[in-house]
Amino acid sequence: GIQVEQSPPDLILQEGANSTLRCNFSDSVNNLQWFHQNPWGQLINLFYIPSGTKQNGRLSATTVATERYSLLYISSSQTTDSGVYFCAVVMNTGFQKLVFGTGTRLLVSP
Amino acid sequence: KAGVTQTPRYLIKTRGQQVTLSCSPISGHRSVSWYQQTPGQGLQFLFEYFSETQRNKGNFPGRFSGRQFSNSRSEMNVSTLELGDSALYLCASSLDGQRDTEAFFGQGTRLTVV
Repeated sequence: GIQVEQSPPDLILQEGANSTLRCNFSDSVNNLQWFHQNPWGQLINLFYIPSGTKQNGRLSATTVATERYSLLYISSSQTTDSGVYFCAVVMNTGFQKLVFGTGTRLLVSP
Repeated sequence: KAGVTQTPRYLIKTRGQQVTLSCSPISGHRSVSWYQQTPGQGLQFLFEYFSETQRNKGNFPGRFSGRQFSNSRSEMNVSTLELGDSALYLCASSLDGQRDTEAFFGQGTRLTVV
């Protein structure tokens, strides 16, 4: 099956710093989403981005489907950005079945 | 618009028991998927339902089952619980469960098997 790898696995930042999280996938995909998992476990939607670039406030994401990767940019990080970030993809066949990466654990210190 | 609602939020069960978890999707969404999250295996797909039919199933034993009702609410059941079933169970809702539609998740049910 498709493999989804995220890097780095862990990231520690000072408040105000910028960061880039990467998601590589091993096959063509029809759908890619980025999530932030809060301390209570809920997955919060950040971006639905099968291709192209999107921005939402301090966050932006770019997916280059032909090269099988996606990037999540966090600028001017805040302590509330701490948590685990997941990318998830859906293959080009069948119905929606999200395949998740292993996540990037981000800690932003004041 | 209300989000995806999962109940209960927390459960403690004993080995050998069975458990039923509930998920109410976003109004108008007809597809519900279930995922299991454990520290060792990460987030894994369990199954997906649309119009009361299971369309897709992950690689889990038959002890894991589910169903969907005519109002799109879904339940999943785990029978003969094992310690390894302790996990966060997440439900996702999407408009039609097609590959190119966005999925939205509930807050999860944290199951502990003792």
